[in-house]
Parts: sequence; C-alpha cells; structure tokens
Amino acid sequence: EVQLVESGGGLVEPGGSLRLSCVASGFTFSNDWMNWVRQAPGKGLEWVGRIKSKDDGETADYAAPVEGRFTISRDDSKNTLYLQMNSLKIEDTAVYYCSTVLYWGPGTQVTVSS
Amino acid sequence: SSELTQPPSESVSPGQTARITCSGDALAKKYAYWYQQLSGQAPVLVIYEDNKRPSGIPERFSASTSGTMATLTISGAQVEDEADYYCYSTDISGNHLFGGGTKLTVL
Repeated sequence: EVQLVESGGGLVEPGGSLRLSCVASGFTFSNDWMNWVRQAPGKGLEWVGRIKSKDDGETADYAAPVEGRFTISRDDSKNTLYLQMNSLKIEDTAVYYCSTVLYWGPGTQVTVSS
Repeated sequence: SSELTQPPSESVSPGQTARITCSGDALAKKYAYWYQQLSGQAPVLVIYEDNKRPSGIPERFSASTSGTMATLTISGAQVEDEADYYCYSTDISGNHLFGGGTKLTVL
C-alpha cells in the first residue's frame, strides 16, 4: 500500500523557520519527482515546489511566493522528502501536502501567527 | 495567460451528468489533470493526461480536452461525488498551475 505521511507542522511566529518531512512507502520513492502543495484555510490548492529524482538531476523548482525562502530536498536512503521553510509569513499558513502526481499524503498544518 | 480558470460552483441532481470546465492557454500544449477533494480530505487524482482514469476511479468519471478547454464529466453523478474539483497543468515556462476549484453540489 502506498503511503505518504507528512510531519513537522505546527505554530511558528512570523520570521521563524520550520522543516517539514514526508516519509514515503509502498512505491519506488527514488524514481519519482516529488511535490509540495499547500492549501490555505478555505482556499484552493497552491503548488509550492518540486524536486526531480536523482537520475534527473535532483533539481528543485519553486513557486514565486516561496522562492528564496523555501528549500526542498530529499533523502532517498530514508524515502523522505523535506521542505525547509524560512522567513515564514502569515500568508504561509496552510495545510502542506507532499505528493506525486498520483499519491498524496494527508497533510500537515502550518500556522504562522504571533 | 498562465492561469487555469474554473467556475466556482456547479450543481447537479443525482443521476444526472455533471460537467466541470477548466480553461487556460497551458491546456493547448500540456496535459490536464483532475483532482477530487472531499471535505476535510487530501485530493485524489481522478483523471490524468487529459483523459486517463487511474485504477479504482469509477467509470462515470471521464474527461476531454479541446484547445484551451478541459472538461471533466461525471455521468450519473452520485451523492458521494459532492466535492471540490481542481484541474492542474503546467505551462511551457514550467509553472505549475491549479485551477481555483469548482464546488460540485449533488442534490
């Protein structure tokens, strides 16, 4: 059974940092390009960024609102995807999902508030 | 333009056909994907590469793309299909795009 499980969310003050993790199982994680997608309260889905597989260069791309503040990385030996979030803003408050095209995790809540 | 536009809401009676549209220049050159999001849950892929249905998705879900418009069709909509539906694609610049979502009401 395929599973993606995010963790690391929580409450953080504006300007703070947080690192999200996503542990994958049930498929060949190392072969897949992985995404982070977020959903602010009552809003639609917003693509955050993506990292390619190691075979495809392991490069990451980001949405404009997070470019320069967020960093996506992966550890294929641990089947784990990461999202390092720095200089957090109130508008980064959302549920964060890790996903392939087909599979999505249940999400983890990030709240940025003073 | 680098965006995907969906109607905010659609309504259909049980057993009738629901159609949800998604328009954007990206769709002329890139595949459309459709996600269903039930209330409080993570999105589920219901259509990929314009018109392919993942394993486990009921046959009543289908889709097509023509030019810059993609359409998700639910034939014989059921109460359990009531959800938010999002189209997704990429544009030629590599931007990843979600439509704003369509809330489908089945009653």
